[in-house]
This record gives sequence, C-alpha cells and structure tokens, in this order.
Amino acid sequence: SQTIHQWPATLVQPVGSPLSLECTVEGTSNPNLYWYRQAAGRGLQLLFYSVGIGQISSEVPQNLSASRPQDRQFILSSKKLLLSDSGFYLCAWTRNTEAFFGQGTRLTVV
Amino acid sequence: SQQGEEDPQALSIQEGENATMNCSYKTSINNLQWYRQNSGRGLVHLILIRSNEREKHSGRLRVTLDTSKKSSSLLITASRAADTASYFCATVTDSWGKFQFGAGTQVVVTP
Repeated sequence: SQTIHQWPATLVQPVGSPLSLECTVEGTSNPNLYWYRQAAGRGLQLLFYSVGIGQISSEVPQNLSASRPQDRQFILSSKKLLLSDSGFYLCAWTRNTEAFFGQGTRLTVV
Repeated sequence: SQQGEEDPQALSIQEGENATMNCSYKTSINNLQWYRQNSGRGLVHLILIRSNEREKHSGRLRVTLDTSKKSSSLLITASRAADTASYFCATVTDSWGKFQFGAGTQVVVTP
C-alpha cells in the first residue's frame, strides 16, 4: 500500500533562518507531488507541484522553493524565513483522481 | 483566484441534523471531490463525483453536481459529533492532474 511521510510535525524557527521540509512517498512510482500551505482556519494554497524528477512548477511567487531530487522525495525550502511563512504545510501525492495527504507540518516563524 | 469556493464558511448544527455545504467552481472539470480535514491534520478523501454524474452516495454522504451551474453540494445526514471537521471541495484543473482546493466549510456538530 502507498503511504506518505512528512516531517517534522511541528517546527519553530526564527526569522531569517533556513527551512527544509521533507516529504517522501512509498509504494508508488512517478507520483505527482504537491506542497500546499494552509493559513489558520483557511483553505489550501497550492505552492508547488511536480510531475517528475527535477520538474517543479511554482504557483505563487514567494520566499519558498521546492526540489525533487528523487522520484518519491519532495522538499520545500527557504533560505531566509519570514514571519509570513508561518502556517500549516501539507505535502500530497495524487493517483489518477484522488489526492493523498501527509499529516502536515505546523511551522511557526518567530 | 480559487477554483473552488465553498459556502457557508462555517456551519454549526446539533447532532442528528443534516449538514449541507456548497462548492462553486470556475472552469470545466472532469470530476469534483470532497475532502475532510480534522483540526491540525491532513486531508482525507471522502467522495468523488464525475462530470457525467449528477448525484452520488456514500454512507451518510450525498454529493450532487450541477455542471451547468458549476456547483456541487455535500450533504451529511444524521450528523454526529465526530463529523466535526473542515470540508473542502477539490477539482482537477489541467491535464497534469493539478488539484485546486476551495477555502473549506468548518462544520461543528454539538451533542
């Protein structure tokens, strides 16, 4: 069966520090991968999606970047975090008509 | 702008009552899906309705789709406290299978 792992679950980082969130998928190959951000009590904002290794599409220009060094690994990064980067980050993969989500990372930038 | 827009934004009901929420979208779709999110967790897929379907049932869930109005509704019948969550509609908007989610409806079911 397929599973998706996302870590860490919570993270508190100072402004200006770097960020690296990792997401890995098991049990499938060549998945479409996504990073979403969710502000408190709000909907999901699509940040990046990837249809293959090294193929990244950015939906919203911002302080973040994404990389896909391996088929089932998707990384969300920042060189210098801003206060506005705080939020709940969700990784997801899709198979045909269904999306599967990780448990999310609660990022607080202080 | 968001592809899916749910309304109401929040819904508070008593156990046993029905909960209805709506989703509108802008572009043509192949299917529309509903997801549930418990507080602080990832989203879980509930039900999918294809563009050539008008209604679909799954347990206490009933989904309708009106492609002429570009809208869908999710009905939860005989709600339970455990149904308390946020509910999102999602559409696939391009050939890459890119999912777009609405802002969600927060449902609170009180015993």
